[in-house]
Amino acid sequence: GAGVSQSPSNKVTEKGKDVELRCDPISGHTALYWYRQRLGQGLEFLIYFQGNSAPDKSGLPSDRFSAERTGESVSTLTIQRTQQEDSAVYLCASRISAGGHFSFVSTQYFGPGTRLTVL
Amino acid sequence: LAKTTQPISMDSYEGQEVNITCSHNNIATNDYITWYQQFPSQGPRFIIQGYKTKVTNEVASLFIPADRKSSTLSLPRVSLSDTAVYYCLVGGLRASGTYKYIFGTGTRLKVLA
Repeated sequence: GAGVSQSPSNKVTEKGKDVELRCDPISGHTALYWYRQRLGQGLEFLIYFQGNSAPDKSGLPSDRFSAERTGESVSTLTIQRTQQEDSAVYLCASRISAGGHFSFVSTQYFGPGTRLTVL
Repeated sequence: LAKTTQPISMDSYEGQEVNITCSHNNIATNDYITWYQQFPSQGPRFIIQGYKTKVTNEVASLFIPADRKSSTLSLPRVSLSDTAVYYCLVGGLRASGTYKYIFGTGTRLKVLA
């Protein structure tokens, strides 16, 4: 597709369950980013990938969160033993590469997000 | 990493110029300042990026003072379709070789007819 896609668009789960959120970046984009946006709040940077590597995982909220990327393409954000405070929209973005200035062309292109609700 | 704060909301009328300020007192030397626009149920969209002084593109201007502890997004002649949430993003390359970014709290702009 032409843009970043994410699945599922909505996910309702019970506290304690594991969830997997998927991001399909724009083809050819080597950088991929995950953000979290809680209701009524700004975006929280979680992690980024350059290729299949995540140089810095310190933005992940807890050890229940993990992310991986394969084939310099699809990325999966996994949340284990979900808690109610994990409820948020999880946004993925991709970019041609992680470095360089941002511009209309070389910017982070965001997907529509996955709305996660933990009951 | 810079903590960024913005006014929660602003109202304006069509045709007016709107200025939205972001405070980032602890901005690092390598950090750039980027502004995004977000409509409901959509991901943020790039507006403009700058490092210092003034940057202008076809949709906005960005003013950054010499101390870089704040930045102001200027939207000329807003229209109803500019009603959205505007975020500043501060970040860049760290000495560790990794990138760090932090979004501001967002400013909800409402343009009135």
